[in-house]
Amino acid sequence: EVQVVESGGALVQPGRSLRLSCVTSGFTFDDYAIHWVRQSPGKGLEWVSYISWNGGTIDYADSVKGRFTISRDNTKNSVYLQMNNLRVEDTALYHCTKDILPYCSGDCYIDYWGQGTPVTVAS
Amino acid sequence: IQMTQSPASLSASIGDRVSITCRASRTIKRYLNWYRQRPGKVPELLLYSTSNLHDGVPSRFSGSGYGTDFTLTINNLQPEDFATYYCQQTSTTPLTFGGGTKVDI
Repeated sequence: EVQVVESGGALVQPGRSLRLSCVTSGFTFDDYAIHWVRQSPGKGLEWVSYISWNGGTIDYADSVKGRFTISRDNTKNSVYLQMNNLRVEDTALYHCTKDILPYCSGDCYIDYWGQGTPVTVAS
Repeated sequence: IQMTQSPASLSASIGDRVSITCRASRTIKRYLNWYRQRPGKVPELLLYSTSNLHDGVPSRFSGSGYGTDFTLTINNLQPEDFATYYCQQTSTTPLTFGGGTKVDI
């Protein structure tokens, strides 16, 4: 059974940093790309970042570029999201999600979602 | 690439047929996915690459379109279909979702 479990969410002040973790099981981790997708309370889905199977390809939403860093450790079946200089508008439930492909290029899609870890940025 | 869904919400009844539209700001060929999010749940994939049903998704769901205009159609609406639907383009990064369409009773 595929499992995706996020952790690390917290209440932080604007300008501070936070590191989210995502641990997976039930599939061959280094065969697949991983995305972070967030959802603000009562709002829609926003794609945040993506990392290919070997970490060779990484990309970010414009709203987080330069502040967030995604990484993965295939020996630990884990992905991380380092979030720096947090803003109030980063408040959301952050989902770690598994892609169907090792590298997202056109025919990719998300087939598994974690339940999410909540991040609240407020003073 | 901006993704615009319409309508933002609609009301329907059990057994109805509903259609949701998603428009891309520039061509995404056929790289369009649809997800359903039930209240309090994580999104689940319905269709990928415009018209391909994901494993286990009932055939009452169908998708069409190419380029910039896409449609999700749900036939014979069931109770579990009262939810919010999102389109997502995967043609180029940054990947983007539509704003969502809420289907309620």
